[in-house]
Amino acid sequence: EDQVTQSPEALRLQEGESSSLNCSYTVSGLRGLFWYRQDPGKGPEFLFTLYSAGEEKEKERLKATLTKKESFLHITAPKPEDSATYLCAVPSNDYKLSFGAGTTVTVRA
Amino acid sequence: DVKVTQSSRYLVKRTGEKVFLECVQDMDHENMFWYRQDPGLGLRLIYFSYDVKMKEKGDIPEGYSVSREKKERFSLILESASTNQTSMYLCASSLLRGQETQYFGPGTRLLVL
Repeated sequence: EDQVTQSPEALRLQEGESSSLNCSYTVSGLRGLFWYRQDPGKGPEFLFTLYSAGEEKEKERLKATLTKKESFLHITAPKPEDSATYLCAVPSNDYKLSFGAGTTVTVRA
Repeated sequence: DVKVTQSSRYLVKRTGEKVFLECVQDMDHENMFWYRQDPGLGLRLIYFSYDVKMKEKGDIPEGYSVSREKKERFSLILESASTNQTSMYLCASSLLRGQETQYFGPGTRLLVL
């Protein structure tokens, strides 16, 4: 069965303190890895899709990278508005998405 | 931009009531999904649909049914609401089968008393 594990569960950062979130996966035949951002009480917002090992995508202070077994979401010099829960997901063989439990990031000013 | 809307942001119902949650997408997407999200359990797929009048069970379909009479609209039905169905319900859509980027609506927070 496909599995997606995110770590840490929670991350508290000072403004400007860079850090990384991890998403490890076990899936037969990866057809992409997705990152979403979710604010409290709202639906997940799509950020990135990565398709192959070595691929990187960037958006503002966020950079996602992919290896054969895991993905990292790097947050560079975070601001309080980067506070959110970050979810990763992989497609399962029948085209559903399997989501990780998420990492909740809190950035203090 | 893709827009997925859900009929209610907050809903309070009584045990045993029949509950309808509506979802509409405006981008002509083929696929639509219903999830529930609970603390510590993450996002769990209830039902999905790849075409009008077509539905498939997800991981936790018990106690739920769905309807897709038009391509843009996907309804989730709780036949007889129970307290353990108190949750955040999220609708999503994606363009084509195999195009897995899913776009989510704002969610409906349902409280069953």
